[in-house]
Amino acid sequence: NAGVTQTPKFQVLKTGQSMTLQCAQDMNHEYMSWYRQDPGMGLRLIHYSVGAGITDQGEVPNGYNVSRSTTEDFPLRLLSAAPSQTSVYFCASSYIRTGGNYGYTFGSGTRLTVV
Amino acid sequence: GNSVTQMEGPVTLSEEAFLTINCTYTATGYPSLFWYVQYPGEGLQLLLKATKADDKGSNKGFEATYRKETTSFHLEKGSVQVSDSAVYFCALSDILTGGGNKLTFGTGTQLKVEL
Repeated sequence: NAGVTQTPKFQVLKTGQSMTLQCAQDMNHEYMSWYRQDPGMGLRLIHYSVGAGITDQGEVPNGYNVSRSTTEDFPLRLLSAAPSQTSVYFCASSYIRTGGNYGYTFGSGTRLTVV
Repeated sequence: GNSVTQMEGPVTLSEEAFLTINCTYTATGYPSLFWYVQYPGEGLQLLLKATKADDKGSNKGFEATYRKETTSFHLEKGSVQVSDSAVYFCALSDILTGGGNKLTFGTGTQLKVEL
């Protein structure tokens, strides 16, 4: 089925380890983004991209890197995991048209625990 | 910056009861407003949206009206079902530098519907 695919679904890391959360979409969406979801705080934007080769920071970018080499993929890298990065991570994509974003689609999430 | 405030949860209702989840926003300009629903273990799904003042979004028996004068977008349903148990997020669209929009979310309201 078309949509946003995130892997892995669950991950446990030790403090200081690195890892990459994968996100892929097959809808030819220009816009892709990463959010983290924490209890009592809703979803907060980490990084986003409006097209291949273009990325920018959201509200909470520290500790995370992204790249966008293709339209389909938007991986999120944790270079040195910290317990404060324990969270549920969602990838989302959409079209960009005059007047705003359309067809916002979320992945099913990655639950990350840093011990 | 722009922000969204939702009523605290959890909200516990009996089946067939009337539901209201309050949402107010602070924004410059006239953002689009959204309600998203998250079922256990899943990503967010768009429930309904409204793009301008006095618009009413509706879907699956849920409704919300964009009230510019009170900066509100309250979610209502006349008769809830057990299957409506989920977390509901109010959100607005925010313009990003470099193009596209991002979603700014409220903290979410958990709804539990009991028989």
